[in-house]
Amino acid sequence: DGGITQSPKYLFRKEGQNVTLSCEQNLNHDAMYWYRQDPGQGLRLIYYSQIVNDFQKGDIAEGYSVSREKKESFPLTVTSAQKNPTAFYLCASSKFSGGSTDTQYFGPGTRLTVL
Amino acid sequence: QKEVEQNSGPLSVPEGAIASLNCTYSDRGSQSFFWYRQYSGKSPELIMFIYSNGDKEDGRFTAQLNKASQYVSLLIRDSQPSDSATYLCAVNMFSSGGGADGLTFGKGTHLIIQP
Repeated sequence: DGGITQSPKYLFRKEGQNVTLSCEQNLNHDAMYWYRQDPGQGLRLIYYSQIVNDFQKGDIAEGYSVSREKKESFPLTVTSAQKNPTAFYLCASSKFSGGSTDTQYFGPGTRLTVL
Repeated sequence: QKEVEQNSGPLSVPEGAIASLNCTYSDRGSQSFFWYRQYSGKSPELIMFIYSNGDKEDGRFTAQLNKASQYVSLLIRDSQPSDSATYLCAVNMFSSGGGADGLTFGKGTHLIIQP
């Protein structure tokens, strides 16, 4: 059963803590992405990776870090430097043919709340 | 600055009627355009994409693209209560390196289909 999984579904973080959100895909997609969604807002790009061991900052990368050691996995760490981390975090993946029509598919999301 | 604009709504449409959702974008270099549907608390799911001027039909859904006017629309025929959701318009353009980067999303239009 192919797809994108994210864990955990809900995550609570105390002030000053780093937390890591998991994203795994078995679609054999090359590219993976992290977005953040705030209530009533569209999605904003945090980081993306087109190939293993390479990634680029998106529009709101400050306070976040990523790694891409395996094609299937793209974990996101929310660091204590992120001042307002409470949000819905969405991971996506796509083939990377170099074309602009590469369609992104989303995982179920992780809802992060800072206590 | 890449921007995607949508009317936030809510847009209320009677069951069985045609729902028309509109989106404008700022970057003339934009290459491809996507419509996602998002139910409350869930992740976005792809409805369709379009990258050539004109109409593209898929079942009850029709996407329309006009690059000269920089707008893209989504028509939903024979609207059903299950179509009630937030519809996100997303735009993709090539990065300066020639690869596709992440999507730029509008804030979404909240659609309500009245039984």
